[in-house]
Amino acid sequence: QLQLQESGPRLVKPAETLSLTCAISGGSIRSSTLYWGWIRQPPGKGLEWIGTVYYSGGTYSSPSLKSRLTLSVDTPNNQFYMKLSSVTAADTAMYYCAGAGYCTGASCGFDPWGQGILVTVSS
Amino acid sequence: SYELTQPPSVSVSPGQTARITCSGDALTKKYAYWYQQKSGQAPVVVIYEDMKRASGIPERFSGSTSGAVATLTISGAQVEDEADYYCQSADSSGNLRVFGGGTKLTVL
Repeated sequence: QLQLQESGPRLVKPAETLSLTCAISGGSIRSSTLYWGWIRQPPGKGLEWIGTVYYSGGTYSSPSLKSRLTLSVDTPNNQFYMKLSSVTAADTAMYYCAGAGYCTGASCGFDPWGQGILVTVSS
Repeated sequence: SYELTQPPSVSVSPGQTARITCSGDALTKKYAYWYQQKSGQAPVVVIYEDMKRASGIPERFSGSTSGAVATLTISGAQVEDEADYYCQSADSSGNLRVFGGGTKLTVL
């Protein structure tokens, strides 16, 4: 069964870079699904799509985050990453990684999800 | 447009039918996906491709679309269905994803 686990610093200072890793178990980053994604949720607020990354390295990012966001894959270690630069308090959120699921062609939802990691931006 | 709009809240009594709408131009061309998020948990897919029930989801959950509006229907809502529900779709290129603002369902 495919499982995802987020990891990274839980406290990041303003203006610094937020770096997260999503480790995949029970499957391969190459073949388990069409793409992998990042979604975040500020405390008490709704879900926001951050971006998606393909095992080939291709990426798509939210227009509102694109200038600060880097997405990548690490095929040998079966994990993928996100880096968000120049963070502010507005980037404080639960960050989830997820796989593409329930796909028909290139149209997919997000399934499964990791349990999420709460990242706080504060000095 | 690249936005999905949901009502902030819906409230029903147990056994009643709950309907949650999601509107946006993207839905005329792209599928809607619905997620249930209970307090402190990660979201879970309940409906995919507008109207298909995800694995393990009770039959009381159903989905439909009409033009630019997707609807999640819970027929005979149960107390355990209390959760936040989010719709999700993609832009016209299919490459950018978007979530609706979420709807808090209260069953009491």
